[in-house]
Amino acid sequence: KAGVTQTPRYLIKTRGQQVTLSCSPISGHRSVSWYQQTPGQGLQFLFEYFSETQRNKGNFPGRFSGRQFSNSRSEMNVSTLELGDSALYLCASSSVGYEQYFGPGTRLTVT
Amino acid sequence: GESVGLHLPTLSVQEGDNSIINCAYSNSASDYFIWYKQESGKGPQFIIDIRSNMDKRQGQRVTVLLNKTVKHLSLQIAATQPGDSAVYFCAENSGGSNYKLTFGKGTLLTVNP
Repeated sequence: KAGVTQTPRYLIKTRGQQVTLSCSPISGHRSVSWYQQTPGQGLQFLFEYFSETQRNKGNFPGRFSGRQFSNSRSEMNVSTLELGDSALYLCASSSVGYEQYFGPGTRLTVT
Repeated sequence: GESVGLHLPTLSVQEGDNSIINCAYSNSASDYFIWYKQESGKGPQFIIDIRSNMDKRQGQRVTVLLNKTVKHLSLQIAATQPGDSAVYFCAENSGGSNYKLTFGKGTLLTVNP
């Protein structure tokens, strides 16, 4: 089975721009979660989607949003980028139960 | 204010020794715990999990111990190998029936050949 895939793997954006990241979960997995990883804050939960509905949300500003499509693929969007948004953005998918499988991440650099 | 880098706890062991990585979790209501391994440039990789109704679970070369009284988790790696060198994270699910993992700060394990 193919693992979780994330595109693009690397991205450089300028402050004020917006960005969309994509995640394709493992086939059959209906839950997709997003995390932000930075040296300063570690791994932090952004949100989780199941069957196209956001079930859980972390403590991030409204500039961070996401969605899930009927095929379980998910996107997250960050608007009005700030320097502090530079991070590794990780997507994880789950089937039944709590075990989450992570993708390789998208490295976002904001200049 | 300006964020500072996390100062990861580090553990350095000799190849072949056993390693013990510790983690204190925050939410007494968390019902599920996972250990992840993250190598440089990669996403976290699932190692082993344990539910709150258990206090020990064994996998291949790894054992997780859960002490709910003091909210403590440990990961034991037997016969540590150079390929085990990575950052290890514990995570707790605090979202009930939904997924919301809260990660610890991580421990950097270095295995010396």
